[in-house]
Amino acid sequence: RKEVEQDPGPFNVPEGATVAFNCTYSNSASQSFFWYRQDCRKEPKLLMSVYSSGNEDGRFTAQLNRASQYISLLIRDSKLSDSATYLCVVNIGNQGGKLIFGQGTELSVKP
Amino acid sequence: DAGVIQSPRHEVTEMGQEVTLRCKPISGHNSLFWYRQTMMRGLELLIYFNNNVPIDDSGMPEDRFSAKMPNASFSTLKIQPSEPRDSAVYFCASSTAVRAFFGQGTRLTVV
Repeated sequence: RKEVEQDPGPFNVPEGATVAFNCTYSNSASQSFFWYRQDCRKEPKLLMSVYSSGNEDGRFTAQLNRASQYISLLIRDSKLSDSATYLCVVNIGNQGGKLIFGQGTELSVKP
Repeated sequence: DAGVIQSPRHEVTEMGQEVTLRCKPISGHNSLFWYRQTMMRGLELLIYFNNNVPIDDSGMPEDRFSAKMPNASFSTLKIQPSEPRDSAVYFCASSTAVRAFFGQGTRLTVV
């Protein structure tokens, strides 16, 4: 079993749609959680951290359920510019941490 | 801040040749990661260092791969001898305790 698993993609949605990505992790020692975004042929970049109480950044909402070892990302009112691959990331350990990436879910927002 | 700097950006080499990838992390970051990305396997963690010390190299595929971090401002990933299946994008990332920043990657093609 992979340490971090994500919804298989791709997700094809119209502009303005709401889309949700799910992610599960297997290591209960995981300490911190993130969503990264990767555009085609570019490096991954941090989209947002995920906090236990849930957090929101504009149209993006992240949720964490430690008991179920589950992370989600909700994108509201999707834009064409949201088209990218979204990577769920888990930090394991306390020596600077080991960052493990999920396979990523590709999102394509169409006009 | 120049960010994480990787070189070369592109490398094409013949099977059997030695390949050395270089990374300069962001000053002050205490963790450094090497990842490999392919379409089939996504982003795989190869090795990570904390305070210049290798912490976990369990992702290094085989003995042909080696990584060093002689000081806080430089790391190398070496493949010797290279094989066509090593073709991928290799990313270096450095992090604080909160977030990781990626270099632009080295696109390696082994023919």
